[in-house]
Amino acid sequence: DGGITQSPKYLFRKEGQNVTLSCEQNLNHDAMYWYRQDPGQGLRLIYYSQIVNDFQKGDIAEGYSVSREKKESFPLTVTSAQKNPTAFYLCASSVTSGGYNEQFFGPGTRLTVL
Amino acid sequence: QKEVEQNSGPLSVPEGAIASLNCTYSDRGSQSFFWYRQYSGKSPELIMFIYSNGDKEDGRFTAQLNKASQYVSLLIRDSQPSDSATYLCAVKRGRDAGGTSYGKLTFGQGTILTVHP
Repeated sequence: DGGITQSPKYLFRKEGQNVTLSCEQNLNHDAMYWYRQDPGQGLRLIYYSQIVNDFQKGDIAEGYSVSREKKESFPLTVTSAQKNPTAFYLCASSVTSGGYNEQFFGPGTRLTVL
Repeated sequence: QKEVEQNSGPLSVPEGAIASLNCTYSDRGSQSFFWYRQYSGKSPELIMFIYSNGDKEDGRFTAQLNKASQYVSLLIRDSQPSDSATYLCAVKRGRDAGGTSYGKLTFGQGTILTVHP
């Protein structure tokens, strides 16, 4: 089955800890994205990557870091510098040419700071 | 002015009625428009996209685009209780100066739709 997987589904973090959220896709998509969603709000872009070993900041990158060492993987680290990290985190992927670049989403990771 | 605006609702319609969801956007360079459905606690699911002025139909769903008015809408005919969800409008700019299409989307805050029996 082709798709996007995210793990873990739920994550609890103590203040001051860094945590890493996993995102893997087997759709052979070049582009991958990380979004954050807060209750009652739309999605806000954290980071995105169009190609391996390259990524760009989105609208709310402060307190987050990413890497793109493999086409299939785009992990997100929520650092202790992120002051309000409790949210629903969504990973997405898309092609970058030959279409309208529809983004498809993984199931999400719900992060709670204790 | 927000880049993409939706009426947050909730929008309540009776089963079998037409639900009309609206979205306006501020960037005239926007080229592609997407509607996602998000059930409570789940991730967004793409249901339609449109890029040309006019209507695009897919089953019970019709997307309408008016670039002159910077307006895109989603109509759901014969609404069912299973359509109850949050509907997210997303907008993408066209190709950048480099000729690549980078796919960055800007989302509205979503409209909550409730279809009651």
